Amino acid sequence: EPEVTQTPSHQVTQMGQEVILRCVPISNHLYFYWYRQILGQKVEFLVSFYNNEISEKSEIFDDQFSVERPDGSNFTLKIRSTKLEDSAMYFCASMGTLQGPQGRDGYTFGSGTRLTVV
Amino acid sequence: GQNIDQPTEMTATEGAIVQINCTYQTSGFNGLFWYQQHAGEAPTFLSYNVLDGLEEKGRFSSFLSRSKGYSYLLLKELQMKDSASYLCAVKGNRDDKIIFGKGTRLHILP
Repeated sequence: EPEVTQTPSHQVTQMGQEVILRCVPISNHLYFYWYRQILGQKVEFLVSFYNNEISEKSEIFDDQFSVERPDGSNFTLKIRSTKLEDSAMYFCASMGTLQGPQGRDGYTFGSGTRLTVV
Repeated sequence: GQNIDQPTEMTATEGAIVQINCTYQTSGFNGLFWYQQHAGEAPTFLSYNVLDGLEEKGRFSSFLSRSKGYSYLLLKELQMKDSASYLCAVKGNRDDKIIFGKGTRLHILP
């Protein structure tokens, strides 16, 4: 079964440092997302990406965050200057279509990157 | 705005049946999802409802009433491995992202 792959699985970084979280979505999917989940809290939407541009972003996704699809397979989330409160599990997700049988399946999530900012 | 409510925790016994409720208020509606999430892992898809009624898939069923803004997930013949959080999630409009509720942590007792 196709998978969404995220690397690294764990990342520890010092406050103020830049981090890049990497994702390889399912190859024929068109819609890509980043979510985060702070420990013990709900899964929160960060950003959606379609046709090589951001289609929507949340209030959390401020100027410190950026996304890129540099080579047609990878989908990255960059945090420019990490803060302690950025510590969370970051999930990448992809979806083939918004409607029809595939739309019924919602997202396929990657296994996540646990980011710890110290 | 969008709001999704579900109980924080529930406890049930192995072999029994449990119903997890979810109510939502959204500016639009294009489907409701249920996901299962084990601790430290990614959510995994369980079910999708966009029309009123019951969708059955093995031991899991999901119900939707759009007029009431209400859904439930029914788990039958509970197994210890069903101990997890169950996330209710809603897509507001056709091109919209999916918004998650806080999840219901289900504890299964032997």
